[in-house]
Amino acid sequence: DTEVTQTPKHLVMGMTNKKSLKCEQHMGHRAMYWYKQKAKKPPELMFVYSYEKLSINESVPSRFSPECPNSSLLNLHLHALQPEDSALYLCASSLEGWLNEKLFFGSGTQLSVL
Amino acid sequence: GIQVEQSPPDLILQEGANSTLRCNFSDSVNNLQWFHQNPWGQLINLFYIPSGTKQNGRLSATTVATERYSLLYISSSQTTDSGVYFCAVPNRDDKIIFGKGTRLHILP
Repeated sequence: DTEVTQTPKHLVMGMTNKKSLKCEQHMGHRAMYWYKQKAKKPPELMFVYSYEKLSINESVPSRFSPECPNSSLLNLHLHALQPEDSALYLCASSLEGWLNEKLFFGSGTQLSVL
Repeated sequence: GIQVEQSPPDLILQEGANSTLRCNFSDSVNNLQWFHQNPWGQLINLFYIPSGTKQNGRLSATTVATERYSLLYISSSQTTDSGVYFCAVPNRDDKIIFGKGTRLHILP
């Protein structure tokens, strides 16, 4: 199984809503990532978890709250988002979180904030 | 930080044509990855290629680390090859940096 599964595939939310994005992998990887991708731009790193501990936070606003309940699961909790937060949110995983590891991506959640 | 430049930015080809995509990087790296993002957003890891040449079906990649570039070859293009191709390298700040991508459109 070389899949990273993300749910939901699409999400529309208002600025006062609270929602969560979910990501799951069963490759035995110990590092998981959240990326944000705006249209026609490359993915931008948001957070990295390694062995269930947050190792990198790219100065992301607190309205985005990551959670790693175990090494197979990664959540991104969303609250009081702004329209400019509309983007494709991609989850990825790798073996341990070292830079020389192959990254595996999920198919993403397309988020629209109204 | 490291700079990653991809060329060409856009490419339109007829089905069956061959193409070469280039990735230049400004600093030495110990790995390089090529990804294909399909029109539905899925990022597929095509190659993990810090140096040398690898082949996978109609696709092959070559990285010349000493000259700081990598090439992705696509032969006998199919419409399913359409999408955006990214190269990605690590920088000194513990991050993977993506190039801006090459947008490939294969016409039937």
